[in-house]
Amino acid sequence: DVKVTQSSRYLVKRTGEKVFLECVQDMDHENMFWYRQDPGLGLRLIYFSYDVKMKEKGDIPEGYSVSREKKERFSLILESASTNQTSMYLCASSLRGAGQGDTIYFGEGSWLTVV
Amino acid sequence: QQQVKQSPQSLIVQKGGISIINCAYENTAFDYFPWYQQFPGKGPALLIAIRPDVSEKKEGRFTISFNKSAKQFSLHIMDSQPGDSATYFCAARRAAGKSTFGDGTTLTVKP
Repeated sequence: DVKVTQSSRYLVKRTGEKVFLECVQDMDHENMFWYRQDPGLGLRLIYFSYDVKMKEKGDIPEGYSVSREKKERFSLILESASTNQTSMYLCASSLRGAGQGDTIYFGEGSWLTVV
Repeated sequence: QQQVKQSPQSLIVQKGGISIINCAYENTAFDYFPWYQQFPGKGPALLIAIRPDVSEKKEGRFTISFNKSAKQFSLHIMDSQPGDSATYFCAARRAAGKSTFGDGTTLTVKP
């Protein structure tokens, strides 16, 4: 089974702190994603990476950055956390290639509260 | 600009009834339409998916109906069970594996 592991399930951070959310997948997937989930707003793509050291902005990249130094690991960074970044963050991965990138596998989410 | 519109936002169905969730999309370049199911405290998981060259796909009690000309697709859950209570997301894949998700529907199946 594909496993996407988000190391921190629940975090409370102070406004202005730098926050790292870590994600690891064990299926050698090329694509990795960070989504943000808010009630009534669905899943919104923050950043996308299709290879090591490659990244692409999603729909809501402002206030976030990412790092992908190894294929299995994709980190989301909040440079200076703000209260409007309180949310659940979902990491995901998929294979690349026509027909292969169909299924997105999600982690269980990281609940971040910024106070 | 919301590319995938999902309705209703919430749905209450009696056990044994049919649950229907609808999605509409705008971008004709979308080439893959999955539905994801999410239980509380868990990440979404793929439930069923369809490609635009097929009008219907059925897996057990779950069916996707796809109307390419209307740019709409829907999820039907037959004989709904309390264990089906979850949040359901439709999605449409654009390019390079990226998908756009609907806002989600919270389904409650009453025993």
